[in-house]
Amino acid sequence: QSALTQPASVSGSPGQSITISCSGTSSDLSVYNYVSWYQQHPGKAPKLIIYDVSSRPSGVSNRFSGSKSGNTASLTISGLQAEDEADYYCSSYTGSSTLVFGGGTKVTVL
Amino acid sequence: QVQLVESGGGLVKPGTSLRLSCAASGYTFSDFYMTWIRQAPGKGLEWVSYISSFDNTIYYADSVKGRFTISRDDARNSLYLQMNNLRAEDTAIYYCARIEGNWNFDYWGQGTLVTVSS
Repeated sequence: QSALTQPASVSGSPGQSITISCSGTSSDLSVYNYVSWYQQHPGKAPKLIIYDVSSRPSGVSNRFSGSKSGNTASLTISGLQAEDEADYYCSSYTGSSTLVFGGGTKVTVL
Repeated sequence: QVQLVESGGGLVKPGTSLRLSCAASGYTFSDFYMTWIRQAPGKGLEWVSYISSFDNTIYYADSVKGRFTISRDDARNSLYLQMNNLRAEDTAIYYCARIEGNWNFDYWGQGTLVTVSS
């Protein structure tokens, strides 16, 4: 159960768009559309912001969008805001009745 | 509103046991699958275990298989994690979360800290 691969950090200026990648293998991301993204502010519990690759839970800003191509999923944050500064984690079902998270990406708003 | 409250964390020595609890409220607990996720200090998230709602199907991460046991008591709206033979690498904040749909964790507790140290 190797972790999915995310960049350690991504930064952008307010109003810009940024994209966080999440790379998996032929056993997880490329096979299943059970990809989720979580936002975690310091000292807080994670919050679900994208599920099933590209669906948004009720109440989550439409500035967050998800996609997938092959064995790589992506989270795009458009119109970057100061409150978006947080850690972001992707996750994927692996097909062996387990789930794997990415290593996390720290988003900095410049 | 949905609330999940973990308890039972603490400082324990290697090789000992600990039982975590997660009290759920604000929804019909018996209708939802549940899961435990942990986060070592300053590190990323790690999925630990999963339990279904109707037939108690259970899954574990390889790192805890054989040492941890997940269970639930629908009458008490509670989820549990029995952790045996604890190791230093089990030190983490342990979160319980509700599962919605396909392995989506839509509500999380605030977490309980487990520290394994001699």
